[in-house]
Amino acid sequence: EPEVTQTPSHQVTQMGQEVILRCVPISNHLYFYWYRQILGQKVEFLVSFYNNEISEKSEIFDDQFSVERPDGSNFTLKIRSTKLEDSAMYFCASSERRTPYEQYFGPGTRLTVT
Amino acid sequence: EDQVTQSPEALRLQEGESSSLNCSYTVSGLRGLFWYRQDPGKGPEFLFTLYSAGEEKEKERLKATLTKKESFLHITAPKPEDSATYLCAVQGSRGGSEKLVFGKGTKLTVNP
Repeated sequence: EPEVTQTPSHQVTQMGQEVILRCVPISNHLYFYWYRQILGQKVEFLVSFYNNEISEKSEIFDDQFSVERPDGSNFTLKIRSTKLEDSAMYFCASSERRTPYEQYFGPGTRLTVT
Repeated sequence: EDQVTQSPEALRLQEGESSSLNCSYTVSGLRGLFWYRQDPGKGPEFLFTLYSAGEEKEKERLKATLTKKESFLHITAPKPEDSATYLCAVQGSRGGSEKLVFGKGTKLTVNP
């Protein structure tokens, strides 16, 4: 069964460093998303991406964040200068069709900022 | 602003003891309500999508129902492997938003 994959599974970085989280969405999906979940809190939407453009972003997704689809299979989230409060699980999701349609989530990358 | 409230926060059942989880929502024009299962340290696993009041969907021991203000996830004769956190999420129509708005989840523990 096709699935979303994410690498790395765990990333430890120092405050102020740049990190890139990588995702490979399901191959025939066209809509891509990033969410995050701070420990013990709700899953929160960050950004949606379609046709090589951001289609929607949340207030969390400020200038420190960027997304890119560098080739036909990868989808990346970059955090330019990490802060302690960026520590969270980051989930990539993809969907075959536009809303409302189910989004399939990857296993997540645990980001720890020290 | 779209909101989702799930109750109870945690539920302990004995194997075979049926129960229901609640998801109350407020949304400007519901486009879809989604149920996911999340195991510790893992990503949400899709279970169901419901689109309109009165709709029901079933999968093995799980059945999801939807009204205009809430959704229920009924678990019939649960097994220990059903232990997980169950998440409810909504997608509203405001501005053509694609984002899912999640509740905090109900942590289900099924004891053998």
